[in-house]
Amino acid sequence: EDQVTQSPEALRLQEGESSSLNCSYTVSGLRGLFWYRQDPGKGPEFLFTLYSAGEEKEKERLKATLTKKESFLHITAPKPEDSATYLCAVQARAGGTSYGKLTFGQGTILTVHP
Amino acid sequence: NAGVTQTPKFQVLKTGQSMTLQCAQDMNHNSMYWYRQDPGMGLRLIYYSASEGTTDKGEVPNGYNVSRLNKREFSLRLESAAPSQTSVYFCASSEAPITQPQHFGDGTRLSIL
Repeated sequence: EDQVTQSPEALRLQEGESSSLNCSYTVSGLRGLFWYRQDPGKGPEFLFTLYSAGEEKEKERLKATLTKKESFLHITAPKPEDSATYLCAVQARAGGTSYGKLTFGQGTILTVHP
Repeated sequence: NAGVTQTPKFQVLKTGQSMTLQCAQDMNHNSMYWYRQDPGMGLRLIYYSASEGTTDKGEVPNGYNVSRLNKREFSLRLESAAPSQTSVYFCASSEAPITQPQHFGDGTRLSIL
């Protein structure tokens, strides 16, 4: 069974204090790993897709990296507006089906204080 | 650019009542999905439609039905609501059912008394 574990559950940072969020996964052949941001009362907002180990993607203060067992979301010099829940999801290679099931982690709640 | 639009945003029902949650996307996506999000459970797939004219069960389909009305619209129906169906429901869409990211609406918050 595919599993996704995100850590820490919650992270409090001071503005400008860089850190990383972790997404560990076990999947029967990775088709893709997705990062989302979710603000309170809103739906998840797509950030990145990573397809293979060694791949990196960047967007503003965020950088996502991927290994064969985990992904990191690095936040450089965060600002209060980066406060949100960050979700990780994996899609497995499922032979013979028309859909690649997404398995979501529980998320990391990030709070950035001014 | 509206993206994925869900209606209603909030709803309170009594046990046994029925209702339909509506979802429409304007991104010309082929695939659409319904999820529920519960504290401590994460996002769980209820039903999906890989392409217009097809629907399939997801992880937690019991108590729900869906209709892919056309390429843009995908509705979720609760025939006889139960308190266990109290949740936040999200609709999502993607260009294709595999490898493409899913884009989510802002959800319907449903309480069943």
